[in-house]
Amino acid sequence: NAGVTQTPKFRILKIGQSMTLQCTQDMNHNYMYWYRQDPGMGLKLIYYSVGAGITDKGEVPNGYNVSRSTTEDFPLRLELAAPSQTSVYFCASSSRETREVTYEQYFGPGTRLTVT
Amino acid sequence: GEDVEQSLFLSVREGDSSVINCTYTDSSSTYLYWYKQEPGAGLQLLTYIFSNMDMKQDQRLTVLLNKKDKHLSLRIADTQTGDSAIYFCAVPLTGGYQKVTFGTGTKLQVIP
Repeated sequence: NAGVTQTPKFRILKIGQSMTLQCTQDMNHNYMYWYRQDPGMGLKLIYYSVGAGITDKGEVPNGYNVSRSTTEDFPLRLELAAPSQTSVYFCASSSRETREVTYEQYFGPGTRLTVT
Repeated sequence: GEDVEQSLFLSVREGDSSVINCTYTDSSSTYLYWYKQEPGAGLQLLTYIFSNMDMKQDQRLTVLLNKKDKHLSLRIADTQTGDSAIYFCAVPLTGGYQKVTFGTGTKLQVIP
């Protein structure tokens, strides 16, 4: 299994541009998450999904959109990039039946985004 | 919402013990987690404790839970340079385990 994969690894955007961060998992997990990580701030949940067709806002959803048309894919869309969206973005997935630990989250390697 | 606090930085000498602390506000959590983030990588589950336990030991790792004070700690014995990383505690939100709140993360620096 590849686990959770994210593309691209790095991206520089100009203010006002749009882009989609891709996330795919091959573990048949029903739960998927998008986080952003800023220095000294920990991880903040942007959006999450409990299954295909179902998404919900997290703590910091403004400026982002998501969709979940399949179990495997959970793309994150930035419509009008702003400097405040400069961050490292992580996608994660989990399942109730993950080893013996309920809802252990598996993380992708991250996307480092700079908006200038 | 849940508040999860950690100190930002810890520096220890190789071979010493490291203790990373975490405080949280929600007392209904059942599992509490410790994740490790190595440079340039995503987070990976390091260990966890169930809320009916006071202590859990896993090789060099010891997790202590004080539910009364809502305090969680991670002790790493015989700390090695490979333990240098950021450590996050994570606490499930009330009413569901599928969402967790992560602490701010503690960056552990191991000095050779």
